[in-house]
Amino acid sequence: EAGVAQSPRYKIIEKRQSVAFWCNPISGHATLYWYQQILGQGPKLLIQFQNNGVVDDSQLPKDRFSAERLKGVDSTLKIQPAKLEDSAVYLCASSPGSGYEKLFFGSGTQLSVL
Amino acid sequence: TQLLEQSPQFLSIQEGENLTVYCNSSSVFSSLQWYRQEPGEGPVLLVTVVTGGEVKKLKRLTFQFGDARKDSSLHITAAQPGDTGLYLCAGEGGKLIFGQGTELSVKP
Repeated sequence: EAGVAQSPRYKIIEKRQSVAFWCNPISGHATLYWYQQILGQGPKLLIQFQNNGVVDDSQLPKDRFSAERLKGVDSTLKIQPAKLEDSAVYLCASSPGSGYEKLFFGSGTQLSVL
Repeated sequence: TQLLEQSPQFLSIQEGENLTVYCNSSSVFSSLQWYRQEPGEGPVLLVTVVTGGEVKKLKRLTFQFGDARKDSSLHITAAQPGDTGLYLCAGEGGKLIFGQGTELSVKP
C-alpha cells in the first residue's frame, strides 16, 4: 500500500516570497491534515479536511496561509508571503475515518525561509 | 487550552539500559497516542490507549494511560540503538494535541 506522498522534500525561499506544498493521501482516506512542526516542537495542526470540506482551520494563519483539497483527494498548502518564523517541517497526514484513530504521516517538506 | 508536556526533552543512554518517558496534562483526553519519528520522516503511530489505567505492551515498550486519563508513560526495557528517535505523545480531546517530544539517543 502506497503511503502519503509529499513534495517537494526541501524548499529554501527568501522572506516575502510564496511557496506551495503538495500532498497525495493514501487512497480512500477521507480525512487529510496539514501539520506544522517547528524544530524542537511537536506537530501543530494547521487545517483538517474531511473529503473536500474543511473541518478545522482554527490555527491556520489565514492572512498568509491557504489550503485546498480538490475533489477530496490531493491537497495543496500555500504560504504567501512567507516570514522567517514559517521555517518548519510541513507534514501531511491522512486517516481512513473522520476521527483521529490512526493517522498516517508523509515524510514532510522542510521549509527554510531566509 | 489543552497542553501536553513531555519529560525529559532529551535522553542519552547506553544500550541495555531502561528508560521512562512521561507525558502530562491538566486536561482529560479521550485517548492518548504515542508516535516515533526518525530524522527526515513523519511520525509513525506506535500505540493508542483509550481506557484509564490501560497498559499496552509492544515488544520491549510498555505504555500506560493514567487512571484519570490526563497522563501517560512509555517505558523501554533494555534499549537498543534502533530505538533512537523522537517520541511524541498526542492526546485526543476534540483535536489531536502533540507534546513537544522526547529525543532519545541510544549508544551502542
